[in-house]
Amino acid sequence: QTVVTQEPSLTVSPGGTVTLTCASSTGAVTSGYYPNWFQQKPGQAPRALIYSTSNKHSWTPARFSGSLLGGKAALTLSGVQPEDEAEYYCLLYYGGARVFGTGTKVTVL
Amino acid sequence: EVQLVESGGGLVQPGGSLRLSCAASGFTFSSYWMHWVRQAPGKGLVWVSRINSDGSSTSYADSVKGRFTISRDNAKNTLYLQMNSLRAEDTAVYYCAREGEEQLVVNQLYYYYYYMDVWGKGTTVTVSS
Repeated sequence: QTVVTQEPSLTVSPGGTVTLTCASSTGAVTSGYYPNWFQQKPGQAPRALIYSTSNKHSWTPARFSGSLLGGKAALTLSGVQPEDEAEYYCLLYYGGARVFGTGTKVTVL
Repeated sequence: EVQLVESGGGLVQPGGSLRLSCAASGFTFSSYWMHWVRQAPGKGLVWVSRINSDGSSTSYADSVKGRFTISRDNAKNTLYLQMNSLRAEDTAVYYCAREGEEQLVVNQLYYYYYYMDVWGKGTTVTVSS
């Protein structure tokens, strides 16, 4: 069974920068896994942020960026705002199947 | 407005069945792959199933294979999830989501980008006696 692992929790100060990562149990994450990133706040549906590694949706704030870093997919939040406090999930494509990461709780403190 | 609205959730006994629906509007439903994703109380997102645009190809998570069936009716702009032999661990909010594809051609090379961009608000399924 494929497992996609994220940091359980990260804390960042307002205006700071934080990087979340997404690792696959099958090996290095490449662009061929089409990494997507989502933000979810309590009681809400997930909101798409990044697709296919680094592409932003029209509604994605400029402070969010995606990349590949050391064999993992990465989501960087620069100039963090209080409203960025949320759970973040990555999604990787494995052929016809998809697997979500375990999620990272980002606290802005 | 692009929208997905799930329905059909509720309380069901272990071993029972339920059919979820996801009504799509504001876009050409028949052009998109569709997914079901679930989230147990206090837990993370879990991918459940996907179906291609014309319904000819499906995939399932191991945890639901043989018990759940995804289908779609493009004439009715509706996605379905038939859930049989339900277990307590199937208790979750079930979301439907749209998946799109972008194609870029550079120097006669094709690049593809995939995204899951539109989500419904979810419907709650509780499996309990």
